[in-house]
Amino acid sequence: AQSVTQLGSHVSVSEGALVLLRCNYSSSVPPYLFWYVQYPNQGLQLLLKYTTGATLVKGINGFEAEFKKSETSFHLTKPSAHMSDAAEYFCAVSASPMKTSYDKVIFGPGTSLSVIP
Amino acid sequence: DGGITQSPKYLFRKEGQNVTLSCEQNLNHDAMYWYRQDPGQGLRLIYYSQIVNDFQKGDIAEGYSVSREKKESFPLTVTSAQKNPTAFYLCASRRGLDYIGADTQYFGPGTRLTVL
Repeated sequence: AQSVTQLGSHVSVSEGALVLLRCNYSSSVPPYLFWYVQYPNQGLQLLLKYTTGATLVKGINGFEAEFKKSETSFHLTKPSAHMSDAAEYFCAVSASPMKTSYDKVIFGPGTSLSVIP
Repeated sequence: DGGITQSPKYLFRKEGQNVTLSCEQNLNHDAMYWYRQDPGQGLRLIYYSQIVNDFQKGDIAEGYSVSREKKESFPLTVTSAQKNPTAFYLCASRRGLDYIGADTQYFGPGTRLTVL
């Protein structure tokens, strides 16, 4: 069974400051890990994902995340926040490898990011 | 452009009525999913389908029904048995497992359903 926790339902940062959104997972098998972003009244868009290989993953819009197996974490960071980064962010986990399409993706509760001018 | 379309964007329903939410994809994806999103909560899986004419219940299937008669289409019916249907509904799709990138779900823009 898999689960995801996101520490902090709301995070506020100043424009230009570091963005750090926390994600911890639980998985009995090697995980695939994802970060999605959702703007108001829109669907989810993939920011980045970890499947295999390099543990530091770079995504779109300057975001990156590091898979730390020992800490069961996949925190999302961005060096300098921009006003356009204000959105809801979801961390997700699924089984690796996906043996069937019935392997579900489990989503965390989300973190709402506010950027203060 | 390839993608997933959901219609309508906003939907209002009277209590006791069934409503159907449309989801169409032209990505040639095999698997399709329906999620429900409530404020402050993550996505909860309602139904999913791997292939045409096959679908499975997710975590919160009660009060919902689906069909998968075509690969491109996966409509969701919210029945009168669903006690609290007001929510944001998201449809997603994914490639078959034989393809690179099969691990990634692609989402539609969502339908906001309000029960009056």
